[in-house]
Amino acid sequence: DVKVTQSSRYLVKRTGEKVFLECVQDMDHENMFWYRQDPGLGLRLIYFSYDVKMKEKGDIPEGYSVSREKKERFSLILESASTNQTSMYLCASSLLTGTRLDTQYFGPGTRLTVL
Amino acid sequence: DQQVKQNSPSLSVQEGRISILNCDYTNSMFDYFLWYKKYPAEGPTFLISISSIKDKNEDGRFTVFLNKSAKHLSLHIVPSQPGDSAVYFCAAGFTGGGNKLTFGTGTQLKVEL
Repeated sequence: DVKVTQSSRYLVKRTGEKVFLECVQDMDHENMFWYRQDPGLGLRLIYFSYDVKMKEKGDIPEGYSVSREKKERFSLILESASTNQTSMYLCASSLLTGTRLDTQYFGPGTRLTVL
Repeated sequence: DQQVKQNSPSLSVQEGRISILNCDYTNSMFDYFLWYKKYPAEGPTFLISISSIKDKNEDGRFTVFLNKSAKHLSLHIVPSQPGDSAVYFCAAGFTGGGNKLTFGTGTQLKVEL
């Protein structure tokens, strides 16, 4: 079974703090993704990466950055947390065959509250 | 611009009856569609998918129908069970898009006894 783990289930931070969210997958997947889920807005893609040290902006990258130093690990960084970044953050991974879409496997999520 | 829309935020169905969840999309480049199911405090899990070359895909109690001309897809669950109560997300992508998916806003399904 594919396993995607996220470092924290719940996190409370203060405005202006630097926040790191970590994600690890154990299936040697090329692709990794960071989403945020908000009521009425569904899942929105923040950043994704198709290889080590590669990153691509998603639909809402502002206020976020990412790091992928190892294939199995993808980190989301909030440089200076703001209250509008309070959300559920979901990490996902998938294969990248190049010929078809592959299922994305999600972690359990991190509920981040910024005070 | 919401390229994938789920216009019903919630749906309530009796156990044993059919649940029909709907999804509309606007981007003609999408050629692959998926449904994910999400329970509270868990990540979404893949349920069923359909390629644009098909108009129906079935897996047990779950069937997805695709109407390309209307840019509409639907998920049918028959018979509905209480364990199906969850949020269902429709997602779309296109071959060559790096497996990047665009998700809808979700529909909360409640199956009542």
